[in-house]
Amino acid sequence: GAVVSQHPSRVICKSGTSVKIECRSLDFQATTMFWYRQFPKQSLMLMATSNEGSKATYEQGVEKDKFLINHASLTLSTLTVTSAHPEDSSFYICSATSRDRGLQPQHFGDGTRLSIL
Amino acid sequence: QQQVKQSPQSLIVQKGGISIINCAYENTAFDYFPWYQQFPGKGPALLIAIRPDVSEKKEGRFTISFNKSAKQFSLHIMDSQPGDSATYFCAASIIGFQKLVFGTGTRLLVSP
Repeated sequence: GAVVSQHPSRVICKSGTSVKIECRSLDFQATTMFWYRQFPKQSLMLMATSNEGSKATYEQGVEKDKFLINHASLTLSTLTVTSAHPEDSSFYICSATSRDRGLQPQHFGDGTRLSIL
Repeated sequence: QQQVKQSPQSLIVQKGGISIINCAYENTAFDYFPWYQQFPGKGPALLIAIRPDVSEKKEGRFTISFNKSAKQFSLHIMDSQPGDSATYFCAASIIGFQKLVFGTGTRLLVSP
């Protein structure tokens, strides 16, 4: 099956720092990657859609200058949380898919637990 | 119209029993309905998915029932096991488009 790797799995950092999260598709070319945020006991909230080689499309209410997304290759997308604050603490999950697969199903990484002190 | 309503919010089933989770949607353009299983601290994993041209799909102990006219679909877990204890999300999308619309999730606990 399709494998999506997310790194790091957990990060703890001080308020004001920037944190980069990587999402890699290991065995297929991901033309599209998605970034989600999940609060405890809640559903997944789509933050942005990232197409390889083009700018990400952000969902309403998501600050694009706060959450920088880069999808420079068919196997890697990154999410950078800039000047992170405690309210940015959350579980961030990426998923990947391909236009060749009709954009479904989405294959998810194992998430990154971000804790801002 | 983009919502997917999921119930129940939580479910306790005895080992060997049948777990049933229901979802309802409004957008008739949806044509792809996956179910995801998520364990604590992990990302969701695709369990099973169905297209609206069939009314039922079975994979092992997992079955999706789909009712197009009622705009409802459900997940049945037969012979539920403690290892099935997880959160289950239904979702809906349009093939060829990008976004998955997720349900609110069901926390399943299978008691030994």
